[in-house]
Amino acid sequence: EVHLLESGGGLVQPGGSLRLSCAASGFSFSTYTMNWVRQAPGKGLEWVSGISGTGGATYYADSVKGRFTISRDNSKNTLYLQMNSLRVEDTAVYYCAKDHCSSNTCSFDYWGQGTLVTVSS
Amino acid sequence: DIQLTQSPSSLPASVGDRVTITCRASQDISNYLAWYQQKPGKAPKFLLSVASRLESGVPSRFSGSGSGTDYTLTISSLQPEDFATYYCQQYYSRPSTFGQGTKVEIK
Repeated sequence: EVHLLESGGGLVQPGGSLRLSCAASGFSFSTYTMNWVRQAPGKGLEWVSGISGTGGATYYADSVKGRFTISRDNSKNTLYLQMNSLRVEDTAVYYCAKDHCSSNTCSFDYWGQGTLVTVSS
Repeated sequence: DIQLTQSPSSLPASVGDRVTITCRASQDISNYLAWYQQKPGKAPKFLLSVASRLESGVPSRFSGSGSGTDYTLTISSLQPEDFATYYCQQYYSRPSTFGQGTKVEIK
């Protein structure tokens, strides 16, 4: 059974940093692109970042480019999101999500339960 | 970026109703469209891919159709557990984008 478990969320001041983790199990982790998707309170879903199975390709939304860094450790089956220069508008529940296929772009078949990041002074 | 517009934003309905949600893309996305269901406080649940492929375990009352820029999600007979918010997503090109959501609520 596929399982994704995020951790690392919390309260941080504007301009601060936070690192999120997503521990994966139940599938061949290194085969699939993994993603971070966020949801601001009461709002819709926004794709944030993705990383290929090998880690050789990374993708970012314009809203986080230059501030967030996605990475993965396939030996630990873990996905990361390093978030720097955080802004109030980054406040959201952050989900990790697995690509449904191994093609270039894909839908997301499994999601973690999410971790809440609150940016506030 | 490709924009997705869902309609309606809110859909009051009753158990047993046939419900249809529309998702319109700002350009042809060649059926690279998925649908998700989200309940309050929970992660989204994957329902359909490539516009009409029902994922394993999803009840057959859910169906998807469409082509080009216009797509629909239909629930043939609404059940109590179907009251939720539904999102479409295009994965034709990066960045992947989502519709703003349609909340199916009790009439």
